Amino acid sequence: QVQLQQWGAGLLKPSETLSLTCAVYGGSFSGYYWSWIRQPPGKGLEWIGEINHSGSTNYNPSLKSRVTISVDTSKNQFSLKLSSVTAADTAVYYCARGLVGATIWKTYYYYYMDVWGKGTTVTVSS
Amino acid sequence: SSELTQDPAVSVALGQTVRITCQGDSLRSYYASWYQQKPGQAPVLVIYGKNNRPSGIPDRFSGSSSGNTASLTITGAQAEDEADYYCNSRDSSGNLDVVFGGGTKLTVL
Repeated sequence: QVQLQQWGAGLLKPSETLSLTCAVYGGSFSGYYWSWIRQPPGKGLEWIGEINHSGSTNYNPSLKSRVTISVDTSKNQFSLKLSSVTAADTAVYYCARGLVGATIWKTYYYYYMDVWGKGTTVTVSS
Repeated sequence: SSELTQDPAVSVALGQTVRITCQGDSLRSYYASWYQQKPGQAPVLVIYGKNNRPSGIPDRFSGSSSGNTASLTITGAQAEDEADYYCNSRDSSGNLDVVFGGGTKLTVL
């Protein structure tokens, strides 16, 4: 059974860089998209970005200038860096495994995140 | 980028059927996936693809899609189904960004 274990600093000061890592246990790293998602207090889910096993990335346009997602396939880990944080970056951050596919005639596509980390609470405060 | 729109809140009487909807242009090309999130917990996938349930998800949860609208139906809602529900897909317009709906708070009365 695949599990994601995430860790990183939970308290940051404004302008610092958020750094989180997610390790994949019990499953293959290739063939999936590995995402970071965040959830500010009392609000909904916001996708931050994703990476696949070969290192191809895709970022939320609203965060793209500050986000870097990287992968270490030798350790089955992927990481998030978010620079120049402010109080608005205070949130619970989740890592998740994503799958994409299509119906047999490619008339329809599907995407879903089937495994999630437990979340890391990150607070930005001076 | 594409957006997914959900009603902020829905309520259902215990044992009755409730439908939670999600609208967006990307849903004309992508099946929505649905997640249940209870307070203090990570989201849990409940429906994916045309109408598939991961192992361990009760069969009272089902999904459907028509045009630009996806629906999550709970048939015979239980008290433990009270939670926030989010829909999700990819933006079909070319950049393939991942998008979430704003979430629906389900109250079981």
